[in-house]
Parts: sequence; C-alpha cells; structure tokens
Amino acid sequence: GAVVSQHPSRVICKSGTSVKIECRSLDFQATTMFWYRQFPKQSLMLMATSNEGSKATYEQGVEKDKFLINHASLTLSTLTVTSAHPEDSSFYICSAVGTGGLQETQYFGPGTRLLVL
Amino acid sequence: AQSVTQLDSQVPVFEEAPVELRCNYSSSVSVYLFWYVQYPNQGLQLLLKYLSGSTLVKGINGFEAEFNKSQTSFHLRKPSVHISDTAEYFCAVSRRVTGTASKLTFGTGTRLQVTL
Repeated sequence: GAVVSQHPSRVICKSGTSVKIECRSLDFQATTMFWYRQFPKQSLMLMATSNEGSKATYEQGVEKDKFLINHASLTLSTLTVTSAHPEDSSFYICSAVGTGGLQETQYFGPGTRLLVL
Repeated sequence: AQSVTQLDSQVPVFEEAPVELRCNYSSSVSVYLFWYVQYPNQGLQLLLKYLSGSTLVKGINGFEAEFNKSQTSFHLRKPSVHISDTAEYFCAVSRRVTGTASKLTFGTGTRLQVTL
C-alpha cells in the first residue's frame, strides 16, 4: 500500500517551454502533497506544500509564478515548470501524505528527471 | 525548527559485515523519525519510522534503528549487509503534530557502499 507515481519519469525540453509533472497517489487519498527538488549528490530541498483544494505554500526562495502547483483532487497534484531554463534541470520528487493512519508518513514518488536544453 | 546531522557522508563496508549509519537530530519539540533509502535515479523508499512506543524499530530489508531520546539519536543498523544495500540513506524528522501533515527535515545523506 501507499504507492505514489510520477509522470513522466524523464523529460527533455527546450529552453522557454513549459513542462508539467504529475504526482498521483494510487491506493490512498492524499490530503497533502509535497514537491522537492534534488541536485546531484545532495539532499532533497522542499519547494512547496500542496493541499487539496487550496493554494500551495511555497518555501522561501521558490518562485511561485515559475513553479505552478495544482492539487485538484485527493489523488493528483501537478507541478508545472513555466518558461524552463537550463538551471531548472534537476530531479523533481513528490511525496504524499494520507489520512488516518497514513498522516504522519510521507510516501515518495519515483521522481522526474528534467533536462532543459 | 528541527535539524538533522548525518556525520558520515560515505560508509564503505564489505558484504556480510555489520553496518551502522549515524543520525542525530535537534528539535525543541517532539518529533517523528524516519529513515529513507534512495537507489540511483529513483525516489525515496521508507525503510522504517519511529512514531511512538518501543524505541527499537524494525524495518524492511533487515534494517533496524533505535531511538535514543537522551542522545537525540536514531542510528540505523544492519547485522549483515548485501551488495544490493548499496544506496543513499537519508535520516529525516518531522514535528509531532496530530491531524495534519508536517514537513520533513532531511539530513545530508550517507552513501553506503558495499563491496565484495
């Protein structure tokens, strides 16, 4: 149980285009999802917290207009990187927290590798 | 605010040897504690967690960890490692808050390298 998927797993795009990454909780309802960014050989950096039906809360230094987050349902959150540039190339990982007995634990997706040319 | 320290960035070990990955944390409030494992180009997989109760927690793949409140530690151990345990291991804490999800604070990670 507590499976989280991400799509796509890898994406290459041209500079200036937008990319959407989906995060889905497959076997539980996720009231909260988190979006992280990870640079090579580094730990995870929290970008934003996404709650179903409300606006995301962004961490300091993260541009909300560049990284658009939508949490439209209890099983889906999306991260859109708008006008992507090479410096946005990174590994993006989402996590989801469920209800009831799953509230304390974040379950992570497999990650999305973004390469901006 | 919470902080997590993983003093060892890399731990080399021979196959079938025991291993301990150290984790210390700092927090002014009660916390939950987690260990996650990350294989190359993958997301994080939950190894084990301490929420309450027994301080010795058993997880998947033969790993266990012990919560020591007085030393603010949550070290991860395995009595006999396998080549397939080679991965990055992250210790993390979150505030103990009921009824809502709390942010995770991660350590910098420990690379476990198992060799023959």
